[in-house]
Amino acid sequence: DAGVIQSPRHEVTEMGQEVTLRCKPISGHNSLFWYRQTMMRGLELLIYFNNNVPIDDSGMPEDRFSAKMPNASFSTLKIQPSEPRDSAVYFCASSLGGSQYNEQFFGPGTRLTVL
Amino acid sequence: GENVEQHPSTLSVQEGDSAVIKCTYSDSASNYFPWYKQELGKGPQLIIDIRSNVGEKKDQRIAVTLNKTAKHFSLHITETQPEDSAVYFCAAGWGGGSQGNLIFGKGTKLSVKP
Repeated sequence: DAGVIQSPRHEVTEMGQEVTLRCKPISGHNSLFWYRQTMMRGLELLIYFNNNVPIDDSGMPEDRFSAKMPNASFSTLKIQPSEPRDSAVYFCASSLGGSQYNEQFFGPGTRLTVL
Repeated sequence: GENVEQHPSTLSVQEGDSAVIKCTYSDSASNYFPWYKQELGKGPQLIIDIRSNVGEKKDQRIAVTLNKTAKHFSLHITETQPEDSAVYFCAAGWGGGSQGNLIFGKGTKLSVKP
């Protein structure tokens, strides 16, 4: 299994531009999570989906952030317009859903720099 | 909501010594406590987890203990090796009907000196 796939691995953009991060979860997993990691705030959950449906988006910082999961094998996190304070590493993770907690498998992350 | 505190933020040990990282949580409803290891340039990877019906769990050189009354849990690494050097995160969550979320600690950077 290729694991969770994220693209791009690195993104450098200018303030005001739209940024789209992509994630392909592990096949068969039905829960998907988007996290943001910074030195100041650590690892923060932005949003998670269960069976392609957003369950909790309370971690999404502002309306500039949006996430979609059109099918079980693809999700996007979009920032529009981007700001320098959005610079961070963004991780996608997936897991098997169910009544018990299951291991979350993290992707390699996308390092976003907004100039 | 849940809040997870993790200490220390940095830890340096000599190879062969033990390392202990401690976390506290605030929500008594939390019942799942995983530990993740993050190596440079990679995503976090689960190394061990414990559920609230268990007080201790061990996997080779790694062990985790949970005190539900005090709401704290700890990671113990014995006979540390240089490859144990990484950032370690604790987390707390509630395993309800559908997959719930995890609240992570701020991380501990462990350095093992040869």
